[in-house]
Amino acid sequence: KQEVTQIPAALSVPEGENLVLNCSFTDSAIYNLQWFRQDPGKGLTSLLLIQSSQREQTSGRLNASLDKSSGRSTLYIAASQPGDSATYLCAVLPGNAGNMLTFGGGTRLMVKP
Amino acid sequence: EAGVAQSPRYKIIEKRQSVAFWCNPISGHATLYWYQQILGQGPKLLIQFQNNGVVDDSQLPKDRFSAERLKGVDSTLKIQPAKLEDSAVYLCASSPDRGRIYEQYFGPGTRLTVT
Repeated sequence: KQEVTQIPAALSVPEGENLVLNCSFTDSAIYNLQWFRQDPGKGLTSLLLIQSSQREQTSGRLNASLDKSSGRSTLYIAASQPGDSATYLCAVLPGNAGNMLTFGGGTRLMVKP
Repeated sequence: EAGVAQSPRYKIIEKRQSVAFWCNPISGHATLYWYQQILGQGPKLLIQFQNNGVVDDSQLPKDRFSAERLKGVDSTLKIQPAKLEDSAVYLCASSPDRGRIYEQYFGPGTRLTVT
């Protein structure tokens, strides 16, 4: 059974700092990995999707990497801003391409002005 | 393009009462999902529909939870009777049946509090 873990559970940083969020998964037979953002009281917004054959994806100040063999992904946020404050979730899709996403518990990020 | 719509946004009920949630997916999306997100945890899939057929309901507590997707569009999720541990946010998501079929688009969720 796939298990996804995110460390740390919470993180507080001053504005402008670069930061890394970590995600690990136990079964490397994945189809893709997604990073989501969740604001309080709102649904999930997809940030980046990495296919299993890819090593990284970039969007603006965000860069996500994937090391399938070690079961790890990182989300790098450059020059953090208070507007980045949210919960960040990673989720993996199984290698048989069924659509059952398995989510990590999330990292709650606070960026202080 | 309109997003996934859910209602109500908030619901407070007493234990042993019944409650129903409604979801309208993005137009043309064949696949619809219901997730349960307990505070401080990631979402957990309850049930997945492809059109109006169930693809996966292995994590749905069938003794109290039921879901249907009549006509392959809107869906309702029902809890009867509710327990305290059902307090959570219930998220609906949908994905297209062509193109980026493995991307799921989420609604704002319904926050359920059982007292």
